[in-house]
Amino acid sequence: EAGVAQSPRYKIIEKRQSVAFWCNPISGHATLYWYQQILGQGPKLLIQFQNNGVVDDSQLPKDRFSAERLKGVDSTLKIQPAKLEDSAVYLCASRDAREDTQYFGPGTRLTVL
Amino acid sequence: GNSVTQMEGPVTLSEEAFLTINCTYTATGYPSLFWYVQYPGEGLQLLLKATKADDKGSNKGFEATYRKETTSFHLEKGSVQVSDSAVYFCGCWGSARQLTFGSGTQLTVLP
Repeated sequence: EAGVAQSPRYKIIEKRQSVAFWCNPISGHATLYWYQQILGQGPKLLIQFQNNGVVDDSQLPKDRFSAERLKGVDSTLKIQPAKLEDSAVYLCASRDAREDTQYFGPGTRLTVL
Repeated sequence: GNSVTQMEGPVTLSEEAFLTINCTYTATGYPSLFWYVQYPGEGLQLLLKATKADDKGSNKGFEATYRKETTSFHLEKGSVQVSDSAVYFCGCWGSARQLTFGSGTQLTVLP
């Protein structure tokens, strides 16, 4: 079974630029999560989707971050404009509705200069 | 909301030493508890989990027992290897149906 796929793996941008990350969850997983992991910390939930609907985006900085999950499969997370403090690893995870276990992708490491 | 407190690192051990990484949680009800491992440059991999009190999760020589009376889920391994060097995260899945992580513990095993 293929795991969660993410791209790109690395991205370097300058502040005030825009960036987008892509995630393809495990086939059949209805629930998809985006996390932000700042160096030295545990992952922090940004947004949770159930199929193509948002379940929880209470910790998403909506003035600059947006996410969508069209057709309930792939998802994109966008930052516009980026700030220095957005430098982090962005992790995507998915979960089967019948389980409590989340499966993580390899992450995208973003560096904002 | 839920919270997870993990033993602060970094932890440095010699090969074949005994490992304990402490984890305590705060949650209502009966959460599921997890240990994830993160190798350099990679995402989080599920190491083990336990879903009810007194359950023991185990994988690759690692073990953790769900202790509701002490709200703990300490990770142990009897004999660590260099390849176990990684960051370990304790997680709690509670009634809010969200996974809350501790801050992670960096483990380095020296040959």
